[in-house]
Amino acid sequence: GEDVEQSLFLSVREGDSSVINCTYTDSSSTYLYWYKQEPGAGLQLLTYIFSNMDMKQDQRLTVLLNKKDKHLSLRIADTQTGDSAIYFCAERGTGGFKTIFGAGTRLFVKA
Amino acid sequence: GAVVSQHPSRVICKSGTSVKIECRSLDFQATTMFWYRQFPKQSLMLMATSNEGSKATYEQGVEKDKFLINHASLTLSTLTVTSAHPEDSSFYICSALPSVGDQPQHFGDGTRLSIL
Repeated sequence: GEDVEQSLFLSVREGDSSVINCTYTDSSSTYLYWYKQEPGAGLQLLTYIFSNMDMKQDQRLTVLLNKKDKHLSLRIADTQTGDSAIYFCAERGTGGFKTIFGAGTRLFVKA
Repeated sequence: GAVVSQHPSRVICKSGTSVKIECRSLDFQATTMFWYRQFPKQSLMLMATSNEGSKATYEQGVEKDKFLINHASLTLSTLTVTSAHPEDSSFYICSALPSVGDQPQHFGDGTRLSIL
């Protein structure tokens, strides 16, 4: 079945760039998402990319998609302490309702 | 932007009580909503897919008689945890999928349920 994998932890210094990586198995994935979850809160949609795109940039966030390798990454430029959270990678196929989530990457930002 | 309202945000109650959680899409219609459960420091576990006007689809291992789902309108789904016990204590999160267009799911802020 479909699977989404991502590393569990990432630690960076304030001001550095963070890169969170994700791999997925469903070759029919059409939509790929990044969500952010702060402690005790629900998931906030950060950004998403369609499978026919290679890159999407939105202010400090850059999403890169390598469809051949089924690899997705989220780069956060100038990481701030407020960026400390869990980041979930997710994918959804064409015509499907179910979104498959990774286990989440916990980002620690050191001041 | 799309907003999903989930209430209550926190519930503490005695064992044996039934608890209802509401999930509303405030500015869009959602034929499909999802209910997730999240244990501490773990990912989301999909419990069921709620479909407006029809029965919910439950994931394997989720008791449908324990977790009752009602999706009576295009903007409201409810999850009722019946006869809750301490092992049902968890963080429950709903999400709504806009009916129109290829849009992502939008999540509520979650409900922390504590059963004493």
